[in-house]
Amino acid sequence: SQTIHQWPATLVQPVGSPLSLECTVEGTSNPNLYWYRQAAGRGLQLLFYSVGIGQISSEVPQNLSASRPQDRQFILSSKKLLLSDSGFYLCASAGQMTYEQYFGPGTRLTVT
Amino acid sequence: AQSVTQLDSQVPVFEEAPVELRCNYSSSVSVYLFWYVQYPNQGLQLLLKYLSGSTLVESINGFEAEFNKSQTSFHLRKPSVHISDTAEYFCAVSPSGGSYIPTFGRGTSLIVHP
Repeated sequence: SQTIHQWPATLVQPVGSPLSLECTVEGTSNPNLYWYRQAAGRGLQLLFYSVGIGQISSEVPQNLSASRPQDRQFILSSKKLLLSDSGFYLCASAGQMTYEQYFGPGTRLTVT
Repeated sequence: AQSVTQLDSQVPVFEEAPVELRCNYSSSVSVYLFWYVQYPNQGLQLLLKYLSGSTLVESINGFEAEFNKSQTSFHLRKPSVHISDTAEYFCAVSPSGGSYIPTFGRGTSLIVHP
């Protein structure tokens, strides 16, 4: 099975500062990768997904960007954080021909 | 496009009582169905899935869900809950052909009281 690593686990950043969250995957090759944001009581919001290196699709207009520099590495970034960027960020992976997702432990971001 | 409705945002129940968490979906194409569980401050874990075959699927920890195509439902049940089942439960659907982007429900918080 797949193992998803995310870091950092928690992060407190001031408004206007940059952001970089990293996700790496073990146990599979050429996975589909996903970034979600979870706000309290609101379920999961898909932010980005990627089907291969350098291939990023954005689901919602926002202050964030994503990159996939290597097959099993997915990075979420921002140049200037907003208060509304606070939340619990989850990285997920799925095999190319499978539908179930494996999730990382998440990063709790607080923008102050 | 798909949509998923979890009607109950919170379900309180006493330990050893039965529980049902409801999930209804809508889709213009065939779908695969999933239940995920999320314990506090953790990521989601796959609990069970329906892809094809028997409409009743079971997990290793006593949960089961039944796919009802006519009612477009995939309710999650457990005959006797434990304190350790306290968690957030998410229902999700994925179209069965092509797109690998699931649609998640908003989640149901199961709270098991002693």
